Amino acid sequence: GNSVTQMEGPVTLSEEAFLTINCTYTATGYPSLFWYVQYPGEGLQLLLKATKADDKGSNKGFEATYRKETTSFHLEKGSVQVSDSAVYFCALSEGQGGSEKLVFGKGTKLTVNP
Amino acid sequence: GAVVSQHPSRVICKSGTSVKIECRSLDFQATTMFWYRQFPKQSLMLMATSNEGSKATYEQGVEKDKFLINHASLTLSTLTVTSAHPEDSSFYICSARNPGQGDTEAFFGQGTRLTVV
Repeated sequence: GNSVTQMEGPVTLSEEAFLTINCTYTATGYPSLFWYVQYPGEGLQLLLKATKADDKGSNKGFEATYRKETTSFHLEKGSVQVSDSAVYFCALSEGQGGSEKLVFGKGTKLTVNP
Repeated sequence: GAVVSQHPSRVICKSGTSVKIECRSLDFQATTMFWYRQFPKQSLMLMATSNEGSKATYEQGVEKDKFLINHASLTLSTLTVTSAHPEDSSFYICSARNPGQGDTEAFFGQGTRLTVV
C-alpha cells in the first residue's frame, strides 16, 4: 500500500538557520504530494503541494520539489523564524474525484529558538 | 481557502457516556468528509470516510458500532463516540475537499481533543 516516511524529530534550530525535513514516499500510480503544518493546539493547514513530477510547491518561504526518480518531497526553508515552530506532516493523495484518502507521515516537530 | 469548522474543540466526558463531534463545511458543499484520529506524538490515522446520504466506509480495525458517523447533509458530518473509554482519549480531526478547488486539497477542521475520565 501507499506510505510516507519522513524524518523523525524533534528538530531544534536557531532563528535564521536552514531547514530540511526529508520525506520519501511509496505509491502506485502518480500521487499528489503535500506538506501540512500543525501549530500548537490547532488543526492542520496546507502549507504547500505538488501534483506532478518536477513541480515545486512553495509558500511562506518553504519549498518542496516533487522528485519522482527518488520518490522524495523534501521540505526546505532558507531562514526559519520562531513562528515556524510547529509539527510538519508530509502526505500523499492518489486518484481523482475528491474521495481519495490522504496518507500521512508521522510528523516532524520543529522548534525554532530566538 | 475553504473553511471547515469542527465543534467542540475540547470535551471531557465520563467513561461509558457518548460524545458527538460535528464537522461543518462553511462555504462549500462536501459530498465526502474524512475522520482522522491522532494519538500523542503519532500521525493522523484515517478512521473512516463519510459519504453524504450513504453509509460511512471504515478503515480496517475501526469499530463502526463504536464510532458512529452520520453525513446527513452536504455541509455536516458527525462522529459519535459511543460508550467512551479512556483509551478513546485522542485528538479527532475531520477534513473535506472542495470540489470547486479540484481534487487535490483537503481542508481540515480545528480538531477536537477528547478526554475520557
